[in-house]
Amino acid sequence: QSVLTQPPSVSAAPGQKVTISCSGSSSNIANNYVSWYQQLPGTAPKLLIYENNKRPSGIPDRFSGSKSGTSATLGITGLQTGDEADYYCGTWDSSLSAGVFGGGTKLTVL
Amino acid sequence: EVQLVESGGGLVQPGGSLRLSCSASGFTFSSSAMHWVRQAPGKGLEHVSAININGRNTYYTDSMKGRFTISRDNSMNTLYLQMSSLRAEDTAVYYCVKGGPYSSSYMDVWGKGTTVTVSS
Repeated sequence: QSVLTQPPSVSAAPGQKVTISCSGSSSNIANNYVSWYQQLPGTAPKLLIYENNKRPSGIPDRFSGSKSGTSATLGITGLQTGDEADYYCGTWDSSLSAGVFGGGTKLTVL
Repeated sequence: EVQLVESGGGLVQPGGSLRLSCSASGFTFSSSAMHWVRQAPGKGLEHVSAININGRNTYYTDSMKGRFTISRDNSMNTLYLQMSSLRAEDTAVYYCVKGGPYSSSYMDVWGKGTTVTVSS
């Protein structure tokens, strides 16, 4: 059971928009920055969003992040088949003094 | 180019020990917190341990406390994970991950991972 809660799967058609939610608590999301990671099949995870809504160099602006209270959201617009992957939210938990992740959301682009 | 290369994975019997290493290059190693994150077959990501820039502060997920030890050698640009009392449930791909300036910061570069299999 993951500390952060994500939907197991989401799907949408190419060109459409999708959002992935990540729910936590006051000891993690509410008081720490949230990151999002993309894991393409058979590869290591890659940082997509950091500090709630910032994109590393090279990440297209189709990817966005937001946070409100104990929840965070990843948005992806203009969906492409290459976006099919598992997406994880992550943050620090101040009570556990450890990093925590969501269980992951599998994105299917129909 | 920032690179993290893990080594030391393999097959080990339950109760055994293993030491993972991660060789870092392309960035100022001594200015970055570092992490180990693992992923069991078909499962999600699990944070294993973190270490701050000078190695004085270490953090562990509860199930690893007392069994795993993270350390770093800033003169060698290398991160380590000493694992003991290994269990079948420790079977996973172990990723070395570069963090931001603090242990609680983002994880911005991931290695390709090294596979640990605990089985008799």
